[in-house]
Amino acid sequence: DAGITQSPRHKVTETGTPVTLRCHQTENHRYMYWYRQDPGHGLRLIHYSYGVKDTDKGEVSDGYSVSRSKTEDFLLTLESATSSQTSVYFCAISESTMGAREQYFGPGTRLTVT
Amino acid sequence: AQSVSQHNHHVILSEAASLELGCNYSYGGTVNLFWYVQYPGQHLQLLLKYFSGDPLVKGIKGFEAEFIKSKFSFNLRKPSVQWSDTAEYFCAVRNDYKLSFGAGTTVTVRA
Repeated sequence: DAGITQSPRHKVTETGTPVTLRCHQTENHRYMYWYRQDPGHGLRLIHYSYGVKDTDKGEVSDGYSVSRSKTEDFLLTLESATSSQTSVYFCAISESTMGAREQYFGPGTRLTVT
Repeated sequence: AQSVSQHNHHVILSEAASLELGCNYSYGGTVNLFWYVQYPGQHLQLLLKYFSGDPLVKGIKGFEAEFIKSKFSFNLRKPSVQWSDTAEYFCAVRNDYKLSFGAGTTVTVRA
């Protein structure tokens, strides 16, 4: 398995509070991604990074921000959590976007916003 | 933007039955295609991928997929399923830096 960890693995928080999820990799891969997984929607991209301090929005970025100050860490912040952000969040990494390089996924963080 | 359609939301079958899951995508250019599997409580794992060449791709655990360019399809097959194949299956298409995923198909295999 690729060396990807996510923390925390489970979190319950209240509406309106800020939340930060961490993704840490030991593979030195350039590309990192944050997805959310919801029933009936598959995985949807929130934000991604193509290098240190280089990030861009995905298809469901509203209410989320990211930061990447080191190759190995990619943080996802919910600025003011809402119940619609209750979901399972997956981090992924990729060595390259060329050819058939796949993405490797972390174990996920289950977030509940009450 | 690309879209990925998986035709079945939930498939229930018995052990030893054959499995075929449909996947269609909207992009007409060169594509990289993937099937991922998520076992209960686990993260996504790659089953197989198509980049170029032989359109019949073999993956892990006896799975295979066929790329049919004219139909924009990348269907997943397994001739004889096992109880351990109970999982959710996702088709994905590379779109520049990103992967676009289908909504997923839950497969339940009854012993």
